[in-house]
Parts: sequence; structure tokens; C-alpha cells
Amino acid sequence: EAQVTQNPRYLITVTGKKLTVTCSQNMNHEYMSWYRQDPGLGLRQIYYSMNVEVTDKGDVPEGYKVSRKEKRNFPLILESPSPNQTSLYFCASSFPRGVKFFGPGTRLTVL
Amino acid sequence: KQEVTQIPAALSVPEGENLVLNCSFTDSAIYNLQWFRQDPGKGLTSLLLIQSSQREQTSGRLNASLDKSSGRSTLYIAASQPGDSATYLCAVKNNAGNMLTFGGGTRLMVKP
Repeated sequence: EAQVTQNPRYLITVTGKKLTVTCSQNMNHEYMSWYRQDPGLGLRQIYYSMNVEVTDKGDVPEGYKVSRKEKRNFPLILESPSPNQTSLYFCASSFPRGVKFFGPGTRLTVL
Repeated sequence: KQEVTQIPAALSVPEGENLVLNCSFTDSAIYNLQWFRQDPGKGLTSLLLIQSSQREQTSGRLNASLDKSSGRSTLYIAASQPGDSATYLCAVKNNAGNMLTFGGGTRLMVKP
């Protein structure tokens, strides 16, 4: 089944404790991206990657890192999480400018 | 910078009604526009993708239109059902760059 998977689905952590949210797709898509969704602010793009080893900032990249060492994986790294990074995070993938497929979301709470 | 607006923010209709959701964008230099459905606490499901050269796309009871020159798209839902209750989001990809800009969504409730 074609899909985008994210892990973990739920995470509660404390300020400053490094964490990684994984994202994997099985559709051989070149393009992958991360979004956060917050009430009243909608979905905002954090980072995107057009292919392996090619990444670029989106609208709200501060406090996040990404890497794209393999085509199928695009992890999101929070080196020192803060409470303002409490949010619902989505990973997405697509062929260049094609239909976007979204993962199920990761609900992160930073205390 | 591209801005995408969806009006209304919320809509409640009785079952069986035909309805139209609106999406407007400020920069007409778009590559494509995509409509998504999001159920509470869940991910986004793509409904329709309209390329900039197209005027409309249809899938079942859904029809999406695009008027680039006026910066508008509409999603038409025929014979609405309670299962259509969800938040509907439109997203625009510009010609320049690879950013996808989302509207704030329309929360639809279809009452039995």
C-alpha cells in the first residue's frame, strides 16, 4: 500500500531534550516536506527536500533541522525543543509538483 | 508572498444540499492548486489537483474549478452526506520555488 508513515504518532517531552520524528514513504517520491499545524495559523511549511541531499527552508524553519540521506526517509530533528514547538506535525511526499500524500501526523507536546 | 484565503471558515448544511467552498489566492502565478480533506486529528487526504492549464477537475460528487486570472478556486460538493463532514483545505503551489501555501480551511458539518 502506498503510504507515508510517521513515528512516533504522539510524543510528550521536556524542554531541551533532543528528539527526532521519522518520516518514510514507499512511493519513490523525490519531493518530501514537513509542516506544522497550529490552531488559527493553519498549516505552515517547515522544511522541504527536492531530492537526496537537497533540502531548503520553508516558512518556519527556526528550531528545526532535517536531513535527506535516502530517498525514502526525511527525519525532522528538534535539537533543543521549546514549548512553542508544541504542535501537530505532518510529513508529505510527492513527485515534483504532483499530488501530495500526507502522513497521519505526529502530535508533539513540549513541557 | 502568496496568501490563500478560504471563506467561510465554517459551514453547516442539511444532508442532500449541493454546496460550494471558496478559495482565493493573491498571486496568480501558480503551478497548481490542490484540495484536501482533513478529519479531526487526522492527516490530509488529497481530493483533487488542478494544474494551472486546467479549468476544472471532477471526482465523483466533487468538482473543483480554477480561475487563475481572478485568483479563485471553488470546490463543489453535490448531494452532501454526513460523511462529508470534515475540514476542507486548499493549497497553492507557485511557479517559483517549491513552497505550498495553505488556506485556513472550511470546517463543514452536514447534518442528517
